[in-house]
Amino acid sequence: GQQVMQIPQYQHVQEGEDFTTYCNSSTTLSNIQWYKQRPGGHPVFLIQLVKSGEVKKQKRLTFQFGEAKKNSSLHITATQTTDVGTYFCAGRNSGGSNYKLTFGKGTLLTVNP
Amino acid sequence: EPEVTQTPSHQVTQMGQEVILRCVPISNHLYFYWYRQILGQKVEFLVSFYNNEISEKSEIFDDQFSVERPDGSNFTLKIRSTKLEDSAMYFCASSSSVFRTGSGYEQYFGPGTRLTVT
Repeated sequence: GQQVMQIPQYQHVQEGEDFTTYCNSSTTLSNIQWYKQRPGGHPVFLIQLVKSGEVKKQKRLTFQFGEAKKNSSLHITATQTTDVGTYFCAGRNSGGSNYKLTFGKGTLLTVNP
Repeated sequence: EPEVTQTPSHQVTQMGQEVILRCVPISNHLYFYWYRQILGQKVEFLVSFYNNEISEKSEIFDDQFSVERPDGSNFTLKIRSTKLEDSAMYFCASSSSVFRTGSGYEQYFGPGTRLTVT
């Protein structure tokens, strides 16, 4: 079945440093979503990417979808303590169901003030 | 802002007992989901529900699980005979759409129910 892998599993940075998490799918995706989960919280939707090579920005966050639609990345510029949490990518299989989102294992980001 | 609510926040049950987890999705949403997250692990899809029927389920969602929308607001997940390995956080989510483009495809998650099976 479809697998979505994320690296790194953990990332600890000093406040102000940049952070990147990478997501790779074993199959071509129709779209990919990114979620953030604060410690003890629930996943909160950040963004969806649909087009091959798409790049979207939200303030200090930059999201990319690979040309082959099998990988994606989230980059945070100049991290802040409020960025702490686990960042998950979640993909839908191209040609597959519209309903099932397969989540990666997530990258836990901690930020040292 | 509308939100998904879930009750109870924490459920402790003995192995073999039945549990019902309850969710109230966002009122104008049409698509409903259950996920589970074992502590420290990834979020796993269990089932999606649309138009009063299951639209898709994962291999985790076996005969011990069932979902129901008993009225216009609630969406429930029942586990018939709980096992130790069912201990996890269960999240309900809803969306107004599932399509790739347009709007409404984002899923809104509830705060979760922590299920502990002893």
